[in-house]
Amino acid sequence: AQSVAQPEDQVNVAEGNPLTVKCTYSVSGNPYLFWYVQYPNRGLQFLLKYITGDNLVKGSYGFEAEFNKSQTSFHLKKPSALVSDSALYFCAVRIGGSYIPTFGRGTSLIVHP
Amino acid sequence: EAGVTQFPSHSVIEKGQTVTLRCDPISGHDNLYWYRRVMGKEIKFLLHFVKESKQDESGMPNNRFLAERTGGTYSTLKVQPAELEDSGVYFCASSQALSGSYEQYFGPGTRLTVT
Repeated sequence: AQSVAQPEDQVNVAEGNPLTVKCTYSVSGNPYLFWYVQYPNRGLQFLLKYITGDNLVKGSYGFEAEFNKSQTSFHLKKPSALVSDSALYFCAVRIGGSYIPTFGRGTSLIVHP
Repeated sequence: EAGVTQFPSHSVIEKGQTVTLRCDPISGHDNLYWYRRVMGKEIKFLLHFVKESKQDESGMPNNRFLAERTGGTYSTLKVQPAELEDSGVYFCASSQALSGSYEQYFGPGTRLTVT
């Protein structure tokens, strides 16, 4: 079985400050990890993924995420938050032999001007 | 390239009524998926089509839900009769290959409210 935990329902950060959205996972096997973002009235947009290789993955809109195998985490980060980053963020995991990802509950990111 | 589209964007129906949601995947994507997110919860898998065939429908809640994908193009998800607990956002996604590090492309979702 695979599962994802996003421990924070909401993250608040001031514009210009660094942001972190947390994600931990549990799988039996090597994980494929994903971050998606949902802006208001829009679909889920793919941000970045970790499949293999470098633990630090860079994605769209200046976001990055670090795969930490020992802590089974895949936290999303950005060095300097923008008000336009305010959205709902979902972490997802699947294993290589599965085609269906398991999603977390989502974290609402609010960036204050 | 047009993305995944869904219709309607919102639907409000009364308990016991029928609703049909539609999803148009990205052209050329053989794989089509339906997901549902109940308010504040995880996005949960409902089913997966490969072309017109149901590959996996293990996530369908019960037999009040019927999904079809005639001709392997667009898909419909019918809820009949709707119950209060069916309220949520229904997402559709599509993808090309299943192997490797493929990504799923999601539509904007249909927000269903059953009153």
